[in-house]
Parts: sequence; C-alpha cells; structure tokens
Amino acid sequence: DAGVIQSPRHEVTEMGQEVTLRCKPISGHNSLFWYRQTMMRGLELLIYFNNNVPIDDSGMPEDRFSAKMPNASFSTLKIQPSEPRDSAVYFCASSGQGTDTQYFGPGTRLTVL
Amino acid sequence: TQLLEQSPQFLSIQEGENLTVYCNSSSVFSSLQWYRQEPGEGPVLLVTVVTGGEVKKLKRLTFQFGDARKDSSLHITAAQPGDTGLYLCAGGRGNFNKFYFGSGTKLNVKP
Repeated sequence: DAGVIQSPRHEVTEMGQEVTLRCKPISGHNSLFWYRQTMMRGLELLIYFNNNVPIDDSGMPEDRFSAKMPNASFSTLKIQPSEPRDSAVYFCASSGQGTDTQYFGPGTRLTVL
Repeated sequence: TQLLEQSPQFLSIQEGENLTVYCNSSSVFSSLQWYRQEPGEGPVLLVTVVTGGEVKKLKRLTFQFGDARKDSSLHITAAQPGDTGLYLCAGGRGNFNKFYFGSGTKLNVKP
C-alpha cells in the first residue's frame, strides 16, 4: 500500500516567490496534518484537517501561509510570498478514523534563498 | 518554548550500552507517543501509551508513562547501530489527534 505521498521532495526558490507543497494522504484516512521541522524549533504542527475541514490552524505562522484540502485525497500548503526564514522540512501526515496513529510522508525540503 | 522538553538532546554511545531518554512537561496529556526519525524520512510511530504508570515493551525498548501523565521515558537495552536516529515524544490533547512534539533526542550508536 502506498504511504503518504508528498511533492516535490526538494524545492529551492527565491525570496518573494510563491511555493506550493502537495500531499496525498493514505486512502481512507480522514485526518490530515501539516508540520514544519527546523533545527531551532523542532517539529511544529501548522494546521490539521478532519474530513477535509480545517479544525485548527493556530500553528500557521502568518497570513503568508495557507492550506487547502479540496477533497479527501489531496491537500496543499502554500506560502506567498516566501521568505528565507521559511526554509525547513515540511511534513504531511494522515490518520484514520478512531485511531491516533499518524503516518508521515517523506517531507519536502524547502530552501528559500 | 516547547511544551515537551526532551533530554538529553544528543547521545553518543557504544553498541551494547543501555540508555534512557526523558520527555517532560508541566502539562497533562491524554496520551503520549514515541517516534523514531531517520535522516531524510518522516517520523515513524513506535508506541502509544495512554494510562498513567503504563509500561510498554517493544523488544529492547521499554516505554513508561508517568503516573501524572506529564512525563515519559524510553529505555533502550543493549543498543545497536540500527537504533541510531532522532527520537521524538509527542503528547496528545483533545480531539482529532492533535499532538505536540518534543524537542527530540539525537541518538548515535557506534559499532
């Protein structure tokens, strides 16, 4: 079975550009999470969805960040405009109904120059 | 400020040694999870503990949830190079599986 799929795996962009990260959760899972990992701050929860509805976006750093989940099999995290301090590894994770096991994707390493 | 503090931050030991990693908080959690993360990959869940005082064993790994559900420990017996990685604890609160991750312990087991 395919796990959580993220694309791209690596992204290098220049400050001010728009960046879109993509995630395909495990089929049948109804919760989806976006995390950011840096050396300084560790793994931080940005936003999570349940049944495609955003439940808690209190971890989203600022208005430059937005996330959508148009259907059960796809989510995006967008940064516009990007800044060097956004450089990090961004993870998507999903979990199934009634379970607290989160399955993480391989991550997208974002570098903003 | 991290809700969950892990110690030590870094640990480098020889194969065959024992070690303990700690995860502490002033907050109460409904459950506590431990993950292991290897370079270039996402974290992988090792265990979930939900009852204060609960102890779970996974081969050479022993996990304990504190009586007050504010802290946890991970003990590895006879560490092997394959145990090398970043160990993360995560405390669960509320509904919808919202977890707060600790600062992490980077373990290196030398052959």
